[in-house]
Formats: sequence, C-alpha cells, structure tokens
Amino acid sequence: KQEVTQIPAALSVPEGENLVLNCSFTDSAIYNLQWFRQDPGKGLTSLLLIQSSQREQTSGRLNASLDKSSGRSTLYIAASQPGDSATYLCAPSTGANSKLTFGKGITLSVRP
Amino acid sequence: KAGVTQTPRYLIKTRGQQVTLSCSPISGHRSVSWYQQTPGQGLQFLFEYFSETQRNKGNFPGRFSGRQFSNSRSEMNVSTLELGDSALYLCASSYGQAVLTNYGYTFGSGTRLTVV
Repeated sequence: KQEVTQIPAALSVPEGENLVLNCSFTDSAIYNLQWFRQDPGKGLTSLLLIQSSQREQTSGRLNASLDKSSGRSTLYIAASQPGDSATYLCAPSTGANSKLTFGKGITLSVRP
Repeated sequence: KAGVTQTPRYLIKTRGQQVTLSCSPISGHRSVSWYQQTPGQGLQFLFEYFSETQRNKGNFPGRFSGRQFSNSRSEMNVSTLELGDSALYLCASSYGQAVLTNYGYTFGSGTRLTVV
C-alpha cells in the first residue's frame, strides 16, 4: 500500500526566498507523480507532472524533481511571492489503474 | 477547453438523508475518480470509474456508491448521511489508461457537503 509523507506540515517564509518542499513515498513502482496546489476551500490545481522515466520537470518558477528509486520528490519554488501561499500536495500514481495517493500536504505562507 | 465541472458547489443536508453529487469530466476523458477531503483525514480515495465500470474502490462503507454514464459523466451517492460525512468531495478526470499517464489528473472545484 502506497504511503506518502510531506514534512513539515506548515511553513512560513518571507517573500523572495527560494523554497524546497519535500515528498516521500513508500512504493517506488509509480507511473508518475503530480504536484498540486490547493487554495483554501477550493479544488486542486495541477502544477507539474513528472513521468517515472523523468528526473525533473519545470514550469516558470517551479521545478519538480523525482528520485523514484529512493521514493522522493522535491518541489522547488524560486523567488517566492505572497500569491504562492497555499497548500501543496504531492501524489504518486501507482497500480494498474494509476490511482493517486496523496500526502497531507504542506501549507505554505509567504509573508510580504 | 472546459474543465471538470462539479455540481452543486455547496449542499446542506440533515442526518439520515441521502445526497447525489455530479461530475462532468473534461471532454475525451473516460476516467472519473472521487475523493473525500476532511481536515483530519486529508484526501481519501473513494472510487474510480472507467467506461461505466467501477475499477477501483477505496475503504469506505457501502453507503457511498457511484456510477458513470455512457457520456463519462459520473454521480456519487451517499445514503443515510452521518455528521462525519461532512467534507469537500472532489472529482478528478483523466484519460484513464496507464499508458496515457502523460496527462495526469484534472480536478474539479469540489462540492462542499455539510451534514447537520
């Protein structure tokens, strides 16, 4: 059974800092891994999708890396802004039907 | 292109009642998954439908059921509501085949269910 851990549960940083959000998972037999963002009371917005054969994926100020063998993924946010404040969730996709398993998320607060 | 549409956005029900939630996936997506999100448990997988067949189910009681129609739209039903069923219910759509996982999952905005 896949288990996903995201530590810490919450993070508060001043604007402009570069951030690293970590995700670890127990079953390395994944198809891909998605990073999502969730604003309070809202649905999930997909940020990045990394295939199991890829090492990293980039979109604007976001970069996600994947080390499948060690069961780790990292989301890097460059030059953080107050608008980046949200909960960030990682979700590896496993099993024949590529089901997503979620961590509890990291709640990020970027102070102006 | 239109995203994943969930209706209604908000719902208030009384204990013991039943409720039906609806999800319309992105055009061309054949898989619809449902998740329950609560502050204590986080996001928990309910079930997944692909081409009108349930092919994956989470650890929820039989009061939670779903179905998918030929146009890929899906409904989720919860019978005999309990206070603990209060949650944000999220629907996600995808192409649904492992070989097509280049595209990942797209989520709707959710239905906020409150049971009183």
